[in-house]
Amino acid sequence: QQQVKQSPQSLIVQKGGIPIINCAYENTAFDYFPWYQQFPGKGPALLIAIRPDVSEKKEGRFTISFNKSAKQFSLHIMDSQPGDSATYFCAGGGRSQGNLIFGKGTKLSVKP
Amino acid sequence: EAQVTQNPRYLITVTGKKLTVTCSQNMNHEYMSWYRQDPGLGLRQIYYSMNVEVTDKGDVPEGYKVSRKEKRNFPLILESPSPNQTSLYFCASSYSAGAVNTEAFFGQGTRLTVV
Repeated sequence: QQQVKQSPQSLIVQKGGIPIINCAYENTAFDYFPWYQQFPGKGPALLIAIRPDVSEKKEGRFTISFNKSAKQFSLHIMDSQPGDSATYFCAGGGRSQGNLIFGKGTKLSVKP
Repeated sequence: EAQVTQNPRYLITVTGKKLTVTCSQNMNHEYMSWYRQDPGLGLRQIYYSMNVEVTDKGDVPEGYKVSRKEKRNFPLILESPSPNQTSLYFCASSYSAGAVNTEAFFGQGTRLTVV
């Protein structure tokens, strides 16, 4: 009920490609879905977040697509760059809970 | 500068020797939490605190203690560390306890090795 399942575990793309990371959640009480980006040696930092009342949110080259009926959401990175190489975590949370539930992370490598 | 500060950044200790990892935030955030990060397991929450003197267990609380006597500080205590607590630890804070839909700020991490 509490899990957020994230795939793939790792992803390698060429510069300019569009990596897609997928997440699925179980708890229908979740109403907040953030993505965090983590560079080696650093703590995670908020990248972009979405609420379930919209199906898509775009910030720069990063887009979240949200499918409420399927309980799935995904991160797309347009025109990916080597500087996007990092670990990405999706998460789910809600006002009724005291914590965010994180996926297990996706290590993205963008090759020049 | 708004930040979450953890200390120490690196720590090697021996089994059974009590240790404390400190966490301090300067953003007047109500909500603070501790996570451990292990390869293939992602971020798992250890404990969280919705406000001063209010703490609760996360997903993996065994072997850890916390306290929240002041709003800005949330130390993580390992009374008797064991090798399976070797991990990368993160402290995080966010504005409001009930509003998990606000940005969580993470510290730089503490890499703990228990031998």
